[in-house]
Amino acid sequence: AQSVTQPDIHITVSEGASLELRCNYSYGATPYLFWYVQSPGQGLQLLLKYFSGDTLVQGIKGFEAEFKRSQSSFNLRKPSVHWSDAAEYFCAVGLFSGGYNKLIFGAGTRLAVHP
Amino acid sequence: GAGVSQSPSNKVTEKGKDVELRCDPISGHTALYWYRQSLGQGLEFLIYFQGNSAPDKSGLPSDRFSAERTGGSVSTLTIQRTQQEDSAVYLCASSPERTSGEQFFGPGTRLTVL
Repeated sequence: AQSVTQPDIHITVSEGASLELRCNYSYGATPYLFWYVQSPGQGLQLLLKYFSGDTLVQGIKGFEAEFKRSQSSFNLRKPSVHWSDAAEYFCAVGLFSGGYNKLIFGAGTRLAVHP
Repeated sequence: GAGVSQSPSNKVTEKGKDVELRCDPISGHTALYWYRQSLGQGLEFLIYFQGNSAPDKSGLPSDRFSAERTGGSVSTLTIQRTQQEDSAVYLCASSPERTSGEQFFGPGTRLTVL
């Protein structure tokens, strides 16, 4: 069965430090991969997505992610974290079939940023 | 333009009551999804609409849950005889027709069943 694992439930970093959030997936075919961010009381906002092509994808707010097929990973990175990045981050696999995209989410990683 | 809106933002109900949650998708988006976000289960897919039909209802947890969509726009998720385990945030998302791309999420409805 398809699944997404985010091993880190909670991460704390200092403002200005680099960030890497881990995501591993289990899916038989070429995956559609997404990272979403959720701020408190808000819906989910798409940071970036990977469908095919260049395995390093750029997103909004200075985020990037790298698809590594051999490791079944899609880790999210940011070189310098800002206090406003504190939020919960969700990795998702899109089961695109029949013209629609059912998202399977990981459990999320809550990011705290120290000043 | 306007994003996805959901109402109410918060709903508190008593066990056994019925509730209706509403979603207004982005204008022109023909695909609509409902997800549930709960402490125990994380984010789960519930149902997908293409236009007014629901070809995938596989995530609805029980027959107490139903959803409809009218005019290819507004969708209502109905939970009958609510139970405490139904307490969660219910998220709606929409996307353009037949795309593998971004789903645009609403702010959610937080349902609390006492």
